[in-house]
Amino acid sequence: AQKITQTQPGMFVQEKEAVTLDCTYDTSDPSYGLFWYKQPSSGEMIFLIYQGSYDQQNATEGRYSLNFQKARKSANLVISASQLGDSAMYFCAMREGLEARTSYGKLTFGQGTILTVHP
Amino acid sequence: GAVVSQHPSRVICKSGTSVKIECRSLDFQATTMFWYRQFPKQSLMLMATSNEGSKATYEQGVEKDKFLINHASLTLSTLTVTSAHPEDSSFYICSATLAGGITDTQYFGPGTRLTVL
Repeated sequence: AQKITQTQPGMFVQEKEAVTLDCTYDTSDPSYGLFWYKQPSSGEMIFLIYQGSYDQQNATEGRYSLNFQKARKSANLVISASQLGDSAMYFCAMREGLEARTSYGKLTFGQGTILTVHP
Repeated sequence: GAVVSQHPSRVICKSGTSVKIECRSLDFQATTMFWYRQFPKQSLMLMATSNEGSKATYEQGVEKDKFLINHASLTLSTLTVTSAHPEDSSFYICSATLAGGITDTQYFGPGTRLTVL
């Protein structure tokens, strides 16, 4: 079974509007961390935001926020006020287990969502 | 802060040759680095975990003798694709973990595009 599922291969949004990118995860471990990365066409992976499984509040980082619904095992990324530069591939990733807070935890990535921002 | 570099950014080589890719953490020390492979428009697949001063841990299905990893220092890990073949053509990305803060976060290099003719 997929540990990280991103069901939207592609998304379109108008500039200045908000967009939500979906991510669901599967783990039986109570300790895990969820990450979102952005990959522009140049290829580099840019870290956006992190949510820990024990965090009580949803993470926010500038225009990025993470809608964490633990019971539903979802960790959707919300981008507010979209900009043309937001056009990229977005990956959701999970690090699980006792290593969730350490340097040794491996990341498992979802399939990615290509976001296109229209002017 | 948290800058990771990779060299070279692009390499084209003939079938049968070996190619070395370097991954450096420029402004922090990383005891653990990771190597990923990515095909066009697909997800990242973890190949191996590289630990400074010890042998790398390879994921299932990744040939150790094919993809040699050396983590010589706290800021440098190298991936050598030995006797490269066209099927090894791919985008290779490394990451280094920056410890501390809310959590340890993996920061990625810009990637190396390998084309084997």
